[in-house]
Amino acid sequence: SQQGEEDPQALSIQEGENATMNCSYKTSINNLQWYRQNSGRGLVHLILIRSNEREKHSGRLRVTLDTSKKSSSLLITASRAADTASYFCATDAGSGSRLTFGEGTQLTVNP
Amino acid sequence: DAGITQSPRHKVTETGTPVTLRCHQTENHRYMYWYRQDPGHGLRLIHYSYGVKDTDKGEVSDGYSVSRSKTEDFLLTLESATSSQTSVYFCAISGTRTSEGTDTQYFGPGTRLTVL
Repeated sequence: SQQGEEDPQALSIQEGENATMNCSYKTSINNLQWYRQNSGRGLVHLILIRSNEREKHSGRLRVTLDTSKKSSSLLITASRAADTASYFCATDAGSGSRLTFGEGTQLTVNP
Repeated sequence: DAGITQSPRHKVTETGTPVTLRCHQTENHRYMYWYRQDPGHGLRLIHYSYGVKDTDKGEVSDGYSVSRSKTEDFLLTLESATSSQTSVYFCAISGTRTSEGTDTQYFGPGTRLTVL
């Protein structure tokens, strides 16, 4: 079963708007990572947040982590058409050197 | 981009035939992974390796075997392909596992396998 579940499954916004995606997980984690996948390509790492961190920024990306609620959110500010992709959260629950991926959120940014 | 290649990139085969997918890295990373990606399931781990000749099963390992005889190559074999193994297969590598957990994974371009 998937450790992480993203919400929503699909999100469509206009260029310039902010996009927020959420991830919930079930067990304690060491860290949580977000990846992006453009259509037909491999996943690309975006950002990693450790279990003792609450918020992290990278460019237009902002990630929050609430370990008490077992949830994380990814905010993309001032979205661009090039941000159109699927976004996945992945958790490291300490079970060996493995990540468990959610099913992803499909983000469409309309020009 | 991390130096990861997968071969072949596309393959069509028939039920019951053996298939081997290859992942090659030039990063000298210790960890290598095979995932499959299917609609509605995200990425699911098939097998992974934490060193030469050291491998372990993931959540969907039935029907698959792997081998890693040298650091740079990780092979995924379907001994007798079935239609349920039609999927996109991704290889990933990771360099370190610190005390804080798994490091970033870098993904290959994927192999699209169709089993008729």
